[in-house]
Amino acid sequence: NAGVTQTPKFRILKIGQSMTLQCTQDMNHNYMYWYRQDPGMGLKLIYYSVGAGITDKGEVPNGYNVSRSTTEDFPLRLELAAPSQTSVYFCASREGQGESDGYTFGSGTRLTVV
Amino acid sequence: GQNIDQPTEMTATEGAIVQINCTYQTSGFNGLFWYQQHAGEAPTFLSYNVLDGLEEKGRFSSFLSRSKGYSYLLLKELQMKDSASYLCAVRDSNYQLIWGAGTKLIIKP
Repeated sequence: NAGVTQTPKFRILKIGQSMTLQCTQDMNHNYMYWYRQDPGMGLKLIYYSVGAGITDKGEVPNGYNVSRSTTEDFPLRLELAAPSQTSVYFCASREGQGESDGYTFGSGTRLTVV
Repeated sequence: GQNIDQPTEMTATEGAIVQINCTYQTSGFNGLFWYQQHAGEAPTFLSYNVLDGLEEKGRFSSFLSRSKGYSYLLLKELQMKDSASYLCAVRDSNYQLIWGAGTKLIIKP
């Protein structure tokens, strides 16, 4: 049981390049999330999904896209990378059945846009 | 707007007790979470409160007062491995988590 797996762990992008951050969970969780974490600030929700085929915008979706073709996978796509997207990105999941079920986070992707 | 406030940094001594406070103003309330995050790592779930009162889990306890928009995390018998950031998060009326910026806890021997 690997939990939530994110790849890559580190990446440097040039302005204008694109990339996909991968996220896979093996817990059969319905709910999946993408957050970014910037120094001195709380986690900000980018996109989330309540199940395969369903996605919705969070607080800071601009410049990002997601898809959820399977329960396991929830990739985050960055188009035309900008320096403002330099951040640490976390994918998370939760089962969604219980009120108290905590989120399980992946180990994060540290992205630098130069 | 929605707001979660926590102290930026706290220092405590190994073996002692420390209380980390969290105050919140959110559109609705559907539970409050505490997470621990070691430097360079992912947050890990510590506790959940939805009713007023104290929830105890080993060396860690979490308290909630909904009328005051206030919670605290109490850490007892501090160990060096407790050096980490502690994140407070509130689930709002849309069932989304609103996160505080975290409190960096430094433990000194």
